[in-house]
Parts: sequence; structure tokens; C-alpha cells
Amino acid sequence: AQTVTQSQPEMSVQEAETVTLSCTYDTSESNYYLFWYKQPPSRQMILVIRQEAYKQQNATENRFSVNFQKAAKSFSLKISDSQLGDTAMYFCAYTGTASKLTFGTGTRLQVTL
Amino acid sequence: DVKVTQSSRYLVKRTGEKVFLECVQDMDHENMFWYRQDPGLGLRLIYFSYDVKMKEKGDIPEGYSVSREKKERFSLILESASTNQTSMYLCASSSRGLAGVGGHEQFFGPGTRLTVL
Repeated sequence: AQTVTQSQPEMSVQEAETVTLSCTYDTSESNYYLFWYKQPPSRQMILVIRQEAYKQQNATENRFSVNFQKAAKSFSLKISDSQLGDTAMYFCAYTGTASKLTFGTGTRLQVTL
Repeated sequence: DVKVTQSSRYLVKRTGEKVFLECVQDMDHENMFWYRQDPGLGLRLIYFSYDVKMKEKGDIPEGYSVSREKKERFSLILESASTNQTSMYLCASSSRGLAGVGGHEQFFGPGTRLTVL
């Protein structure tokens, strides 16, 4: 079975700084996808960024980028120029041949002034 | 915009009651999912459905059942609610995609915070 591990339960970053959230996963599949989802306080979960395993290039979405290390099974999220609106729970997730997601336990990110 | 709605944001029920949580999506998605979210445990999949009248057990199906009579609606049923089912319940939907392979974004509802007393 696939597992997703987020080893940082909570993190804090000052506004305008850069922060990196860690995620590792375990799988025997060769074709899979990785996601970072964001859940702001009292708001709906939304997709931040997606990475396809067969693509070597790291995905980027504006201030959000990933460092995908396939051999190490690592998938970290970097947030540049952090903003107060980035305060949220961040979940790393994996999906393989099925359409269901396996989530990590989440990292609570607090952006401070 | 994809919209996934859930019937209640907050719900309080008594032990032993039968509880229905409703989820509706308006994007003609084939896949629908029910998760529960607990602090320190992340999201865990309860049940999912690939099509009308089809259902598959997720990782923690015990104590729950589901119903999908129409493509847009997916219901989660707690046959006899217990205090350990107090949690946040999230519904999600996604398209199957051309190849039927995973990787498609899941769109989430706002969640139902259920308290069982």
C-alpha cells in the first residue's frame, strides 16, 4: 500500500520569506501523480500544485514550486514570498493507477507579520 | 467553476441515530469520494464511487455505508452513530479522464463537522 509522510506538523514563516514543506512517499508503482492541497482556516480544500511522476521537470505555479526527487521518493513544496493568505493546512497526496488519493497527515503553516 | 456542496456545515446527533450526509456536485464528474478528517491523521478515505450505483470501500469503511442513485449526488450514511464518528467529513469529486487513470484533481466540498453526543 502507498503511504505519504509529512514530518512537520507545524511551521511558521514571516511574510515575504520562503518556506519549504516536506513530503515523502512510498510506492512500487511507476506511473503516479503527486499533489499539494491547501486548506485555509474554515475554507474549502483547494489544489495548489500537481506533479506527474514521469515528468522530470519540477512543477511551478506562481509562487509555489516543488522539488520532486523520484529516486528518493521526496516531494517538497516551496512557497516563495509568503503572504498572510498562505496560512493554511497543507496536505501532500499521492494517486497511482486508481483515482483515489492517499493523504499525508498535513502541515499547519502560519505566516506572520 | 466546479462546485461541490454538502448539506450541512455543522451537525449534532445522538448516539444510535441514523445520520445522512449529502453531497452534490455540478460538473458531471464520474468519481465521488467521502473522507473523514481528524487532527494528526489527515484525510482518510471512507468510500468512493466510480459511477452511479457503484461503490468501493476505502480505508475505513466500518460503520458507514453510501448511496449513489444519481450521478451528481453521493450520500454517506451512519447507520447507528457512535461518539468515535465525531469528525469533519469531506466530500470530493473528480473526472475519470480519458484513460481512466488517476491524476485528476479532486474538488472538495466545504465539509460537515459532525458531533455525536
